Amino acid sequence: AQRVTQPEKLLSVFKGAPVELKCNYSYSGSPELFWYVQYSRQRLQLLLRHISRESIKGFTADLNKGETSFHLKKPFAQEEDSAMYYCALTSAAAGNKLTFGGGTRVLVKP
Amino acid sequence: NAGVMQNPRHLVRRRGQEARLRCSPMKGHSHVYWYRQLPEEGLKFMVYLQKENIIDESGMPKERFSAEFPKEGPSILRIQQVVRGDSAAYFCASSHGQGATEAFFGQGTRLTVV
Repeated sequence: AQRVTQPEKLLSVFKGAPVELKCNYSYSGSPELFWYVQYSRQRLQLLLRHISRESIKGFTADLNKGETSFHLKKPFAQEEDSAMYYCALTSAAAGNKLTFGGGTRVLVKP
Repeated sequence: NAGVMQNPRHLVRRRGQEARLRCSPMKGHSHVYWYRQLPEEGLKFMVYLQKENIIDESGMPKERFSAEFPKEGPSILRIQQVVRGDSAAYFCASSHGQGATEAFFGQGTRLTVV
């Protein structure tokens, strides 16, 4: 069974401070991992996917298969980063349906 | 391309009534996924459809819930005889197809059962 865990419901940081959102998963096959973001009153949108190995809006995430983690990091948080962040997992074997974590609300204070 | 369109954005139903939620996928997308988000919880997969076919309904409650994606028109999530526990945000996503393709989400329909 697929499972995604985001242990922090809320992260509050000051502008310019580093932020790290934790994501752990369990899946026996080869998963695809994603981070989705939902800004206030907007739809859920893709932020990062592990296969792209790219940095979006200063965020990076590295898939650690040994620790089954896909933590999201940004060295210097900005106020516009305040949003809900969801880690998600999918696989071709699962028909590409997404399994989401419970979400982490990030609040960046000025 | 207007993106994934869901309507209505907000829906209020009395217990025992029926709720119909609509999802128009992005142009060119033939795969639709429905997710439910209960208060204070993450999104949970409900059903995956392609045109005229249900591919995976493992997340659908066994009773009162049904989904369709007809050849013409939007995908419909139908909830019969709604109960208070059905109150949630229902999100639709669409994609081109299988493979690790990006799923685009609608803005959701917030169902409140009174």
